[in-house]
Amino acid sequence: KQEVTQIPAALSVPEGENLVLNCSFTDSAIYNLQWFRQDPGKGLTSLLLIQSSQREQTSGRLNASLDKSSGRSTLYIAASQPGDSATYLCAATSGTYKYIFGTGTRLKVLA
Amino acid sequence: DGGITQSPKYLFRKEGQNVTLSCEQNLNHDAMYWYRQDPGQGLRLIYYSQIVNDFQKGDIAEGYSVSREKKESFPLTVTSAQKNPTAFYLCASSIEKQGGVRNIQYFGAGTRLSVL
Repeated sequence: KQEVTQIPAALSVPEGENLVLNCSFTDSAIYNLQWFRQDPGKGLTSLLLIQSSQREQTSGRLNASLDKSSGRSTLYIAASQPGDSATYLCAATSGTYKYIFGTGTRLKVLA
Repeated sequence: DGGITQSPKYLFRKEGQNVTLSCEQNLNHDAMYWYRQDPGQGLRLIYYSQIVNDFQKGDIAEGYSVSREKKESFPLTVTSAQKNPTAFYLCASSIEKQGGVRNIQYFGAGTRLSVL
């Protein structure tokens, strides 16, 4: 059974720092790995999706990597800003309609 | 604008009452999902539907019911049998392949349900 873990649960950094969020999964047989952002009381916004055949994806200041052999994905945020403050969730797709979510990392970027 | 619309944004349920949460999408996606989000627990799957007139139970279906009479709509009813309904409910949709990428999932803005 696929399990997804995100550590740390919460993180505070000063503005301008580069940071890495971690996502671990137990079953390497995944279709893709999707990273989401969630603002308080809001839905999830898709940030990046890495297909199982890919190693990384980039969008602006965000870079997500995938290492299936070790069961890990990381989300790298460069030059963090207060507007990046949110909860970041990862989800592993283990089947066509099966998405397993981590519990998220709550990020606070201090001005 | 294409997207997923959930309504209402806030909903209150009295004891013994059934309530229905609406989810509509105009993305032409075949699959739709309902998740429940509780603090510190991540998202848990309630029901999903691959096509019209078909739906499957997720991990926590007890006390909930759904229908899928139209491709665009996937309403969720929280019945009186659900004893702890207070949570944030999220609807999502996905298409099996879009631009060569499999299974991108898109979410609505959510409905917060509370018990009076």
